[in-house]
Amino acid sequence: SQQGEEDPQALSIQEGENATMNCSYKTSINNLQWYRQNSGRGLVHLILIRSNEREKHSGRLRVTLDTSKKSSSLLITASRAADTASYFCASMDDGSRLTFGEGTQLTVNP
Amino acid sequence: DAGITQSPRHKVTETGTPVTLRCHQTENHRYMYWYRQDPGHGLRLIHYSYGVKDTDKGEVSDGYSVSRSKTEDFLLTLESATSSQTSVYFCAISARGGAGLSGANVLTFGAGSRLTVL
Repeated sequence: SQQGEEDPQALSIQEGENATMNCSYKTSINNLQWYRQNSGRGLVHLILIRSNEREKHSGRLRVTLDTSKKSSSLLITASRAADTASYFCASMDDGSRLTFGEGTQLTVNP
Repeated sequence: DAGITQSPRHKVTETGTPVTLRCHQTENHRYMYWYRQDPGHGLRLIHYSYGVKDTDKGEVSDGYSVSRSKTEDFLLTLESATSSQTSVYFCAISARGGAGLSGANVLTFGAGSRLTVL
């Protein structure tokens, strides 16, 4: 079964605007991660938030985690055309496996 | 994708033929994973390895087998390819694993292998 589900499936914004993507998961987690995938490429790790953290920042990225609602959000501020990509959340269980959601396709228009 | 290479990058084969995809890493990482990516399904774990000769199944392991005879290589074999196995396959590696707040499992992905089964 799919652990993570992203919302929206697709998002189109103008350069300079903020982009918010949401993720829900089903079971308890050790941490939650966000990855980015450019077209035709492998995934690249962006940021990790642990289950005892509520918010984390990295450059223009801000991630929040609400374990009571089993949800996370990724905010990209001041978006750029180069941010155009697919973004995936991935939940880490108590073992060694990451379970990925279906992804959000972000398009940033110049 | 430095440190992890997948081969072949593209393959077209016929139904019923065996196919082997190779993942090679130069990072000496303990954990290696095979995922498949399909539209509408995101990435789904096929098999993973937590050491030489130590492997376990993921959520979509039927029709696939793996082997890890040395740290740097993780092979994915489709014993008898079917059209439903047409997909993009990604290998990933990780240095760490396990539970606990001090543990984390960040994956580094290869560039992918596109397999078409006719």
